[in-house]
Amino acid sequence: DTEVTQTPKHLVMGMTNKKSLKCEQHMGHRAMYWYKQKAKKPPELMFVYSYEKLSINESVPSRFSPECPNSSLLNLHLHALQPEDSALYLCASSQVDMGFAGANVLTFGAGSRLTVL
Amino acid sequence: GQQVMQIPQYQHVQEGEDFTTYCNSSTTLSNIQWYKQRPGGHPVFLIQLVKSGEVKKQKRLTFQFGEAKKNSSLHITATQTTDVGTYFCAGRGAAGNKLTFGGGTRVLVKP
Repeated sequence: DTEVTQTPKHLVMGMTNKKSLKCEQHMGHRAMYWYKQKAKKPPELMFVYSYEKLSINESVPSRFSPECPNSSLLNLHLHALQPEDSALYLCASSQVDMGFAGANVLTFGAGSRLTVL
Repeated sequence: GQQVMQIPQYQHVQEGEDFTTYCNSSTTLSNIQWYKQRPGGHPVFLIQLVKSGEVKKQKRLTFQFGEAKKNSSLHITATQTTDVGTYFCAGRGAAGNKLTFGGGTRVLVKP
């Protein structure tokens, strides 16, 4: 299995709602990522988990709360979002860094397109 | 912090022609990766370059890593409509544990 599966594909939510995005991979990767992508822009790193522990938080507002329940699953909990948070949210996974051996090649999921009203 | 710039931002290519997109980093990189994102799709890994001066080919695509490991290029020959999409380079810093994406080159092919 060489896929990263994300659900839901589309999500519309109000500013007072609480929702979650889910991501699953079965490639044995021990690093998982959340990226945010606005139209015509590159992916922007939000969070990195390595061995189920949060290793990077790119100063993301607390209304985004990541969770990594196990090595295959990654969630992004959403609460009190703003309209400017509307974007494509991409999950990715990779092997854990092996120094200069060239790890961290990312396998992306298809993304969850979020609209905040 | 590390910055990765890509030029051009847009590339309109006649089908059958060649083109090159360039990627430049403000710092020396340990490796550089290239991804392609089709319209409405997600980034898909194409290639990784690690060694100074490395050149790799995938069919009509040729990837180069500069001698100083601060720049890279992607050259596509005989462009086809299937080449439409945005090509991103992503550099990993020498001491880094994360990738910095370039702004992407959006390729449009005229049949």
